Amino acid sequence: ILNVEQSPQSLHVQEGDSTNFTCSFPSSNFYALHWYRWETAKSPEALFVMTLNGDEKKKGRISATLNTKEGYSYLYIKGSQPEDSATYLCASPPQAGTALIFGKGTTLSVSS
Amino acid sequence: DTEVTQTPKHLVMGMTNKKSLKCEQHMGHRAMYWYKQKAKKPPELMFVYSYEKLSINESVPSRFSPECPNSSLLNLHLHALQPEDSALYLCASSDLAHTNEKLFFGSGTQLSVL
Repeated sequence: ILNVEQSPQSLHVQEGDSTNFTCSFPSSNFYALHWYRWETAKSPEALFVMTLNGDEKKKGRISATLNTKEGYSYLYIKGSQPEDSATYLCASPPQAGTALIFGKGTTLSVSS
Repeated sequence: DTEVTQTPKHLVMGMTNKKSLKCEQHMGHRAMYWYKQKAKKPPELMFVYSYEKLSINESVPSRFSPECPNSSLLNLHLHALQPEDSALYLCASSDLAHTNEKLFFGSGTQLSVL
């Protein structure tokens, strides 16, 4: 069974702070790593899909890195804004052709 | 249209009721999914349909019965549920049932079983 772990469980920052959180996954048999943002009362929204060791992806103020050899991905948010408040989920498939296993998420709260 | 639409948004049912959850997408996606999410837990995969055929069933009890009438629709039929089945049920779709394909989610049906 694939264990996808996220830390911290929750995080509270002030507007303008930069922050980052971690997703850990088994480094053997890696296939892909997904990041999703889930705002309250909305649908989870895909941020990034990463497949290659050393991948870096960026979308506005949010970026992510991937280290498949050591089994982790970081999500960075630069200059946090209140609208960044959400739960950030990472997910990875245990085998090729199988569906995603999700971590429990990191809940970010940004105060103005 | 990049939306996945789920109905109803909320559902309360008794243990003897039969109800259905519906999910619709018009993005031409060939894979559709049901996930179950309980509070403070990650979404758990229930079923995957690929090209309208059930491809993954994660040992879900038979009181949950999925159906894919066509490539745009996915239903989840509920019968004789238990209170522990109360959860948020999320539908998702992707272009293909492939690990590199991002999922598009609906906003979910919050189910309460009394």
